[in-house]
Amino acid sequence: ELKVEQNPLFLSMQEGKNYTIYCNYSTTSDRLYWYRQDPGKSLESLFVLLSNGAVKQEGRLMASLDTKARLSTLHITAAVHDLSATYFCAVDEGGSEKLVFGKGTKLTVNP
Amino acid sequence: SAVISQKPSRDICQRGTSLTIQCQVDSQVTMMFWYRQQPGQSLTLIATANQGSEATYESGFVIDKFPISRPNLTFSTLTVSNMSPEDSSIYLCSVGWGPDSPLHFGNGTRLTVT
Repeated sequence: ELKVEQNPLFLSMQEGKNYTIYCNYSTTSDRLYWYRQDPGKSLESLFVLLSNGAVKQEGRLMASLDTKARLSTLHITAAVHDLSATYFCAVDEGGSEKLVFGKGTKLTVNP
Repeated sequence: SAVISQKPSRDICQRGTSLTIQCQVDSQVTMMFWYRQQPGQSLTLIATANQGSEATYESGFVIDKFPISRPNLTFSTLTVSNMSPEDSSIYLCSVGWGPDSPLHFGNGTRLTVT
């Protein structure tokens, strides 16, 4: 059974600082997705990582995937308040498009 | 990406009743899924909605409790039957066009059972 673990679950940081969110998963998969969820809203797709070594960047966020280590990271550079949200990683279970989600990381960026 | 319309957006229901949630997509999609997100929690897959055949349920979810229909490639319904307060959650429809693209999610149905 595929398990996906994120850490930290809660992250409070100051504007301008850098931090990394980690996503570990338990079985082989080449497809990992990052989503953002604002309070009371649905999920917004951020990144799709489809192979070992994949790196994607959008603004202050950069995601990477190491399939051998079964690890993905979401790096935040020079955080701003607008990045405050919950971030989920999700792993495709055996290419089925069925996603197993991590518990989410609730990020609060303080001015 | 497609426009996903999910209805109702929220409802308050009494124990023992049933609620049917609709998910309409403005283009044909390969895959449709139903997820549940309990308050402050992550998402859990309920089932895959298969076009023209019975849905495929995940462990812990059964057809009698969560009957699903998918009559065509753009529409699906999820019914939450014989509701109890433990069914209070957000129910999300998601659609996909293949594993190289992300799943897209509807805005969700926030269900409260009293």
